[in-house]
Amino acid sequence: DTGVSQNPRHKITKRGQNVTFRCDPISEHNRLYWYRQTLGQGPEFLTYFQNEAQLEKSRLLSDRFSAERPKGSFSTLEIQRTEQGDSAMYLCASSPDLGLAGGYNEQFFGPGTRLTVL
Amino acid sequence: DAKTTQPTSMDCAEGRAANLPCNHSTISGNEYVYWYRQIHSQGPQYIIHGLKNNETNEMASLIITEDRKSSTLILPHATLRDTAVYYCIVREVGYQKVTFGIGTKLQVIP
Repeated sequence: DTGVSQNPRHKITKRGQNVTFRCDPISEHNRLYWYRQTLGQGPEFLTYFQNEAQLEKSRLLSDRFSAERPKGSFSTLEIQRTEQGDSAMYLCASSPDLGLAGGYNEQFFGPGTRLTVL
Repeated sequence: DAKTTQPTSMDCAEGRAANLPCNHSTISGNEYVYWYRQIHSQGPQYIIHGLKNNETNEMASLIITEDRKSSTLILPHATLRDTAVYYCIVREVGYQKVTFGIGTKLQVIP
């Protein structure tokens, strides 16, 4: 399977604990995105990487959230001191940079990591 | 980002064309219109995008009004597998952030 993969698929944690999610993008996609989706809502943009550089961050990404993409390949999203309000599906997507007009290319989404904070 | 307005839900008979409207009356000249869909328990899937001309691909057609204040996604022959939430979004050139909104829940009926 050459699609975007995310691990773990499900995570249950207690309030106050730290959690880390991993995203492996499609090979050679240099753009990587993180989103959060709560029940009944559309995905909310969190952050965007071009290779290893984090170029855009949403105000939703509080100080407890940090994302990295150290070698420009896989990425991790860490949430420190989790709160019940962090319970959501965390989606990762990737896209190539083909230099098309408008600077945007189709984003390929992974299956997501569902976080439940008790 | 300009905001979009979509009906919360729609039904369509299997085999018929599904026409999903989207209002983006505050869209600016450098913003594209994109459509994604999300089938239950899966990540969103790109469908199509456009700036001002109508677009067609193997999945759908996108009709954008001349004033660009609204658009319609057309699934020419809806199947049960097209049952999903459809998101109309706009994005400014040069930025990667997109805002999905709530979308339209399309139910294709046998």
